[in-house]
Amino acid sequence: EVQLVESGGGLVRPGRSLRLSCAVSGFTFDDYAMHWVRQAPGKGLEWVSGISWNGVSVDYADSVKGRFTISRDNAKNSLYLQMNSLRTEDTAFYYCAKDIGVAVAGTGGYIDYWGLGTLVTVSS
Amino acid sequence: DIQMTQSPSSLSASVGDRVTIFCRASQGISSFLNWYQQKPGKAPKVLIYDASSLESGVPSRFSGSGSGTDFTLTISSLQPEDFATYYCQQSYNSPSFGQGTKVEIK
Repeated sequence: EVQLVESGGGLVRPGRSLRLSCAVSGFTFDDYAMHWVRQAPGKGLEWVSGISWNGVSVDYADSVKGRFTISRDNAKNSLYLQMNSLRTEDTAFYYCAKDIGVAVAGTGGYIDYWGLGTLVTVSS
Repeated sequence: DIQMTQSPSSLSASVGDRVTIFCRASQGISSFLNWYQQKPGKAPKVLIYDASSLESGVPSRFSGSGSGTDFTLTISSLQPEDFATYYCQQSYNSPSFGQGTKVEIK
């Protein structure tokens, strides 16, 4: 059974940092690209960042570029999102998500599994 | 970045109705277009990938069409379990989602 379990969310002041983790099981982690997608309460889905199967190719939404860093440890079956200089508009549920392909985009991939999400609240 | 625009933002329909949702990309994305369904408190679920391919296990009343910049998701006969929010997503480059279309009961 495929499982993606996020952790690391919480309440943080504007300008501070937070690191999200996603532990995966039930599939060969290093065969697939991975993504972070967020959803503010009551709002729509926003793709945040993606990383290729081997970690060589990464991409970010303009809204987080320069502040967030995605990474993966294939030996530990884990995905990470380092979030710096957090803003109130970053408040959302953050979902770890698995792609069906190896690349972040451009090869017809899509997300076939999602975690349950972890809530990040940025507030003073 | 590619902007995805869905219409309508919401619609009211009855069980048995045919429902069509539109998605337009700000530039050509070939057929790299996916459709997801999300119910309250749940993670999204893919329905259609590559614009018109039905994901395994998804009922055949769901269909997708289009290429380039204009795409549609059609539900041929709306069922009670189909009341949800639907999102298009492009995977041509730097993935992005549409703003969503909420399908409500009339």
